[in-house]
Amino acid sequence: QKEVEQDPGPLSVPEGAIVSLNCTYSNSAFQYFMWYRQYSRKGPELLMYTYSSGNKEDGRFTAQVDKSSKYISLFIRDSQPSDSATYLCAIGFQKLVFGTGTRLLVSP
Amino acid sequence: DTGVSQDPRHKITKRGQNVTFRCDPISEHNRLYWYRQTLGQGPEFLTYFQNEAQLEKSRLLSDRFSAERPKGSFSTLEIQRTEQGDSAMYLCASSLPGEGYGYTFGSGTRLTVV
Repeated sequence: QKEVEQDPGPLSVPEGAIVSLNCTYSNSAFQYFMWYRQYSRKGPELLMYTYSSGNKEDGRFTAQVDKSSKYISLFIRDSQPSDSATYLCAIGFQKLVFGTGTRLLVSP
Repeated sequence: DTGVSQDPRHKITKRGQNVTFRCDPISEHNRLYWYRQTLGQGPEFLTYFQNEAQLEKSRLLSDRFSAERPKGSFSTLEIQRTEQGDSAMYLCASSLPGEGYGYTFGSGTRLTVV
């Protein structure tokens, strides 16, 4: 079993839709949970991080962590074509473990 | 400072050749990380430095791989006797010590071994 599981997609949605991206993880010791966005031929860019359980909101993005279920989510409201990218979840501190990434396509 | 810089952006090499990549981190970041990313996968941890000290190496970093950060600034990653399986994107990232969750990644070096 991989430490972090993530559906690779692709996930195709129309502009304006609410997008839900999810990961599960196996090691309950992890405390930091991150979401990165990666455009083609670029390095990952940190979107948000969450410490322990709970929600965190930043503009159109909301990150959720449910440590009891070992489940992390990223919600994107009012999705835009510019949100089309691969979204990577990551867990850990210093040494991060990444999911495979979910490719998101937002069509105009 | 415009971020983490990696050079070259692309490298094509013949199997068996040695290659070296360079990473220049954000100047005030004393933590520097190397990751490898293959197509359709997330980045995999290779190694990281605090200043010039290499603190951890993944088992993915075979004897053919060596990383250095001689003066605690830029870092190099060398692969000796390259194999086709080494073809990947090699990503460098940096962070402040207390921000191990908040890496800034470079755009990576794409290696193709033919």
